Amino acid sequence: NFMLTQPHSVSESPGKTVTISCTRSSGSIASNYVQWYQQRPGSSPTTVIYEDNQRPSGVPDRFSGSIDSSSNSASLTISGLKTEDEADYYCQSYDSSPNWVFGGGTKLTVL
Amino acid sequence: QVQLVESGGGVVQPGRSLRLSCAASGFTFSSYGMHWVRQAPGKGLEWVAVIWYDGSNKYYADSVKGRFTISRDNSKNTLYLQMNSLRAEDTAVYYCARKFSPPAATEDWFDPWGQGTLVTVSS
Repeated sequence: NFMLTQPHSVSESPGKTVTISCTRSSGSIASNYVQWYQQRPGSSPTTVIYEDNQRPSGVPDRFSGSIDSSSNSASLTISGLKTEDEADYYCQSYDSSPNWVFGGGTKLTVL
Repeated sequence: QVQLVESGGGVVQPGRSLRLSCAASGFTFSSYGMHWVRQAPGKGLEWVAVIWYDGSNKYYADSVKGRFTISRDNSKNTLYLQMNSLRAEDTAVYYCARKFSPPAATEDWFDPWGQGTLVTVSS
């Protein structure tokens, strides 16, 4: 089994760009797809990125995903930050046990 | 629209049992696998269990294996989670989520999620 490690929190100003990382502890980040979920306070998670870099319909193109094999990590980038983007963000990938693995979550503050 | 509604949460003493339900609507329930995911208060997400669309395969997280049982009734469009021998560390909001993947995909993810039901294990 592997773990996904995210920064506990990030903060940025409205209109700026922020990147949240998700580092896989063992095995290649490219071995399995990475998804990203947004969880606003008091709400259920929703998908903002699937299959590393795909956006579900309805998710603004301010949200983008990527993977970097050199750092064995995935990243979620949000550009043109809005106050409504303030939320917890979780990365998730799949382990063949089978087991679905979540990162610990990153609290995004837009101030 | 696709909707998942959990129920059955509440306060239960350690060692006791509880059964959660998840009522599905807006999609062909019998064509999709389903997951349970939990979130302890102030903590992150933890995958709990999955069941295939026809109930043929079931898998569990190590933390609940042997104590929790996932099941489904496709005639009632309902998913269940039977939780036995509950412990304080099982206290969490329990979400059901559809096992979603595009055609021909080899992996799946969680989409959408229900609103969750809170289980509190306390004496």
